[in-house]
Amino acid sequence: SQQGEEDPQALSIQEGENATMNCSYKTSINNLQWYRQNSGRGLVHLILIRSNEREKHSGRLRVTLDTSKKSSSLLITASRAADTASYFCATVFTGGGNKLTFGTGTQLKVEL
Amino acid sequence: GAGVSQSPSNKVTEKGKDVELRCDPISGHTALYWYRQRLGQGLEFLIYFQGNSAPDKSGLPSDRFSAERTGESVSTLTIQRTQQEDSAVYLCASSLVQGDQPQHFGDGTRLSIL
Repeated sequence: SQQGEEDPQALSIQEGENATMNCSYKTSINNLQWYRQNSGRGLVHLILIRSNEREKHSGRLRVTLDTSKKSSSLLITASRAADTASYFCATVFTGGGNKLTFGTGTQLKVEL
Repeated sequence: GAGVSQSPSNKVTEKGKDVELRCDPISGHTALYWYRQRLGQGLEFLIYFQGNSAPDKSGLPSDRFSAERTGESVSTLTIQRTQQEDSAVYLCASSLVQGDQPQHFGDGTRLSIL
């Protein structure tokens, strides 16, 4: 089974609002990554957070990692219609080489 | 181009036929990965290449699936005797290996088995 579970499965917000997505995983990790996927396209890497980091920022993105709870969150501030996409968390787990284990994804819709 | 390139972008074939999917990684990326994404789901790992060898094939679902990589560059994923459950988007990614590195994805091949 996939390691990650994400919630919510779907999220609909108005432009300008913040969007928060959560991810949980099951085993020890080296790092956790967030990716965005627009419909019919490949995945675009957003941000990587290492297991010894607790928070990371990139532009309008803020990621937190709580290894004690085996969870992460992605916050998108001041959302735009162009942020509409599916968002996936993925982990590189300890001893798993470099492969990514993906969560089930959150479908974000940002309405004008 | 500078990104990961996959071909074909779409493939429709009859059950029982063999298919070959191609991936051209970013130049200089020694790591190459294949994933499968079923409709509305996350990605499932299939196989990982480091150079031309595959130290992790644990995600290949059956012996009908195989992959190779040559010249530390192009990779081909082959599915023999396709079944309807093979219908999915097959995504390729490449990365540098050193340290914590993001993976760069192609747009995938959408495979439909009739």
